[in-house]
Amino acid sequence: SQQGEEDPQALSIQEGENATMNCSYKTSINNLQWYRQNSGRGLVHLILIRSNEREKHSGRLRVTLDTSKKSSSLLITASRAADTASYFCATDEGKFYFGSGTKLNVKP
Amino acid sequence: GAVVSQHPSWVICKSGTSVKIECRSLDFQATTMFWYRQFPKQSLMLMATSNEGSKATYEQGVEKDKFLINHASLTLSTLTVTSAHPEDSSFYICSARDQGAEAFFGQGTRLTVV
Repeated sequence: SQQGEEDPQALSIQEGENATMNCSYKTSINNLQWYRQNSGRGLVHLILIRSNEREKHSGRLRVTLDTSKKSSSLLITASRAADTASYFCATDEGKFYFGSGTKLNVKP
Repeated sequence: GAVVSQHPSWVICKSGTSVKIECRSLDFQATTMFWYRQFPKQSLMLMATSNEGSKATYEQGVEKDKFLINHASLTLSTLTVTSAHPEDSSFYICSARDQGAEAFFGQGTRLTVV
């Protein structure tokens, strides 16, 4: 399968709480990227972490990468209702392969 | 970030007809473009990768004669769904990148075949 696995598949939290999503992949990568998708829309790039990096921050986002475990996590701190969307990790192996996605619902 | 324009954003066509979807990079040269298909509530499945001036590389299970991809210039790639059938109804998304690591995505095309 070209897809990586993400968990949880769905996550429902209250506004202000933190949301953590995990991504596992199978092959060697150049980098890993996280994207957000609102229902029925295109993708928005959130953050890129290179294979030689372990952690990266961007605003309320924190991404970690463990190449030995072939896994990554995305943490959204102090979530807002506007963060409600589907989140996908994508591994760059020359081509981009997407994980199965996590559907995040942030309740106001 | 860079802009990728995908057109049309939605299209309805009759079964048996062909539909062309365009993907343009507006402010950068896209040496590589990717085409994805997304079913409702599912992830994006890579269909093919195209490099400017060369034939597209299709993923396993994707019919190259049904999904024709042309990447004739550094700013334009097209996907033509030939002899469309209802099961081809889906959300198609293109992405493009130049020499950098980041890929930029179009807004997607929702195809409905009736």
